[in-house]
Amino acid sequence: SQQGEEDPQALSIQEGENATMNCSYKTSINNLQWYRQNSGRGLVHLILIRSNEREKHSGRLRVTLDTSKKSSSLLITASRAADTASYFCATDPQETSGSRLTFGEGTQLTVNP
Amino acid sequence: NAGVTQTPKFQVLKTGQSMTLQCAQDMNHEYMSWYRQDPGMGLRLIHYSVGAGITDQGEVPNGYNVSRSTTEDFPLRLLSAAPSQTSVYFCASSYLYTGELFFGEGSRLTVL
Repeated sequence: SQQGEEDPQALSIQEGENATMNCSYKTSINNLQWYRQNSGRGLVHLILIRSNEREKHSGRLRVTLDTSKKSSSLLITASRAADTASYFCATDPQETSGSRLTFGEGTQLTVNP
Repeated sequence: NAGVTQTPKFQVLKTGQSMTLQCAQDMNHEYMSWYRQDPGMGLRLIHYSVGAGITDQGEVPNGYNVSRSTTEDFPLRLLSAAPSQTSVYFCASSYLYTGELFFGEGSRLTVL
């Protein structure tokens, strides 16, 4: 079963706007990760946030984690057309410690020029 | 470094045929895994390995076999292909317990 669930399923914005994607999960985790997938390509790791962290930044990306609500959000600031892709959250359950990363269904982001 | 290399990129099979999807990585990663990606279902873990000689089942292992004789290679075997196995297959690897997966470009399989 899919542990992570992204919201929204699809998001369309204009270049320069911010994009926010949310992820909810069910069990206790070691960490939560976000990946990006361009059409027809493999997934690329964006950022990892550990269960004892609340916020993390990487360039134009900001990730938050609320373990009490079992949710995370990915914010992309000042979006560009090149950010158009699918974004997936992935959870690393505590009981399997890195060996069974579980992915959500993804958010399809379209950034219009 | 080539990273994670998957072959073939595209394959069409008839029901009942068998085939092997190849995966190789040159990063000396202990952990390797196979996922399948289907529309509306995200990625689902098929099998994984934490080192040479060690494999384990993921969420959807039925109809697939794996082996890990070397650190570099992790082939996925379809024993008797079924239309339900039409999917895009991704191989991924990482250092053990670090979390960050490196993905191949995918193998698109169609079973008629």
